[in-house]
Amino acid sequence: GAGVSQSPSNKVTEKGKDVELRCDPISGHTALYWYRQSLGQGLEFLIYFQGNSAPDKSGLPSDRFSAERTGGSVSTLTIQRTQQEDSAVYLCASSLGRGGTETQYFGPGTRLLVL
Amino acid sequence: AQTVTQSQPEMSVQEAETVTLSCTYDTSENNYYLFWYKQPPSRQMILVIRQEAYKQQNATENRFSVNFQKAAKSFSLKISDSQLGDTAMYFCAFMRGRYQLIWGAGTKLIIKP
Repeated sequence: GAGVSQSPSNKVTEKGKDVELRCDPISGHTALYWYRQSLGQGLEFLIYFQGNSAPDKSGLPSDRFSAERTGGSVSTLTIQRTQQEDSAVYLCASSLGRGGTETQYFGPGTRLLVL
Repeated sequence: AQTVTQSQPEMSVQEAETVTLSCTYDTSENNYYLFWYKQPPSRQMILVIRQEAYKQQNATENRFSVNFQKAAKSFSLKISDSQLGDTAMYFCAFMRGRYQLIWGAGTKLIIKP
């Protein structure tokens, strides 16, 4: 079946502009995660959605970052008033969400460049 | 706080050789999960292998195996009979709680023909 998809693949924006990054999880997966990968570094957890529960936003670096998940499926990560330090690859992952420790399946990411 | 350390920024071996990537972690938890993910140039993270801390037996997936030393908090990945397609970034990750992965900085592995 189809894996996790993300769009756009690449995004170039000017400092101060808002951007929206989209994630389509694997069909049937109720858990969804966003991570940020800065150049030469591992991934940094941003936010976690599970079904209709309140999301875990503990990893969001500032109030310029927000995410929502509509209908328990597609998710959008929004970065307002982008800064150059926001430049990174943003990865989305999903898992079954049935409890316990599950394997997370990743999308190809969106590479964001803030000029 | 949990941390994951990968001390080898880059490694290079000849095709068909065996290579071992190191990973150490720090935690006060007794039961947890560890993972190795591979990230090829396509950027997509692919699960290579996972280990549950309460299992003493080392996990194995075909040419990939781990050496899990719980007391030493070490979790190395061994790739046998390496192939050109194994060229990628390899990340070690620790699962904090049920879902939050803590990642190492990665090791760039190059398989030479």
